[in-house]
Amino acid sequence: SQKIEQNSEALNIQEGKTATLTCNYTNYSPAYLQWYRQDPGRGPVFLLLIRENEKEKRKERLKVTFDTTLKQSLFHITASQPADSATYLCALSGYSTLTFGKGTMLLVSP
Amino acid sequence: DAGVIQSPRHEVTEMGQEVTLRCKPISGHNSLFWYRQTMMRGLELLIYFNNNVPIDDSGMPEDRFSAKMPNASFSTLKIQPSEPRDSAVYFCASSSSGGTGGGEQFFGPGTRLTVL
Repeated sequence: SQKIEQNSEALNIQEGKTATLTCNYTNYSPAYLQWYRQDPGRGPVFLLLIRENEKEKRKERLKVTFDTTLKQSLFHITASQPADSATYLCALSGYSTLTFGKGTMLLVSP
Repeated sequence: DAGVIQSPRHEVTEMGQEVTLRCKPISGHNSLFWYRQTMMRGLELLIYFNNNVPIDDSGMPEDRFSAKMPNASFSTLKIQPSEPRDSAVYFCASSSSGGTGGGEQFFGPGTRLTVL
């Protein structure tokens, strides 16, 4: 069955460093991969989308890579700030609905 | 735009009672999704509508769950009878991408349901 894995352990980093979150998947050939941010008590918020034929996408301090051979996406936040602390979810889809990973919590300390 | 609106924000009920969750999608969006989020299972799609028509309800756990979308600006998710294992946060999301994975989804604030 399809499986999406995100590190369940929280990632703790210092302000100013680059945070890197990982999303691995199996038994899946997604056409799209999306990343969302979720704050406590709130719904997920869309951040970035990358297509299967794209290797990398950037938006301000965010960068996403998509390696369909390794079946992996990496999500980077450069110059991280305490305000970046949240849970980050990856989501995959073929040409239909999204399937979400369970997310990784990021904690950025001052 | 006010974004996706959900009500109530919190619901506490007793086992066996009927629960109705409500959602108003973003105006102009043609797809609506109902999700359930728990620590154990993460965010799971229950059902999605495209142009008010249910397209995929394979995620609905059992017959106790039902969803309707009588018009483009309103949807309900009903649980009857409710059970303690239904306790979760239920999210509604809408999208203008017709349900395809190529479009972003806009989530509401969620309804936290507790069934005692």
